[in-house]
Amino acid sequence: KQEVTQIPAALSVPEGENLVLNCSFTDSAIYNLQWFRQDPGKGLTSLLLIQSSQREQTSGRLNASLDKSSGRSTLYIAASQPGDSATYLCAVIDTNAGKSTFGDGTTLTVKP
Amino acid sequence: KAGVTQTPRYLIKTRGQQVTLSCSPISGHRSVSWYQQTPGQGLQFLFEYFSETQRNKGNFPGRFSGRQFSNSRSEMNVSTLELGDSALYLCASSLVLAVTGELFFGEGSRLTVL
Repeated sequence: KQEVTQIPAALSVPEGENLVLNCSFTDSAIYNLQWFRQDPGKGLTSLLLIQSSQREQTSGRLNASLDKSSGRSTLYIAASQPGDSATYLCAVIDTNAGKSTFGDGTTLTVKP
Repeated sequence: KAGVTQTPRYLIKTRGQQVTLSCSPISGHRSVSWYQQTPGQGLQFLFEYFSETQRNKGNFPGRFSGRQFSNSRSEMNVSTLELGDSALYLCASSLVLAVTGELFFGEGSRLTVL
């Protein structure tokens, strides 16, 4: 059974800092991995999708990498802003189950 | 273009009642997946529908059911509500099967069971 872990559970940084969020998974037989952000009481907003044949994806100040062999993905946020404050979740879609498994998320607070 | 639309956004029910939630996917998307989000269990997969057929199902009791219509709109139903069913119910649409496609989520339906 796929298990997805996100560390740390919470992170507080000053504005302007670069930061890395981690996502690890136990079964490396995955189709793809997707990063989302969720604001309080809201739905999930897709940030980046990394397909199994890819190693990384970039969008603006965000860069996500995927290392299937080690069961890890990282989300790099450059020059963080208060508007980046949210919960960030990763979802792994694994081959065997054919469905997505979500981590519990990292709650990010960026202080002005 | 319009995103994923879920209705109703908020609802309150009492134990034993049943509830139906609706999800309209992004135009052209054929897959709709449903998820339950609670503080204790996080986001858990309920089921996926693609071209009106259930393609995959999570580990939820039979009280949770769903269907998809020919226009790809989907409904999920929860019968005999329990207090533990209080949650944010999210649906996600995908152009292709959710396994291989990018997921786009709606704002969710927040269900409170009293």
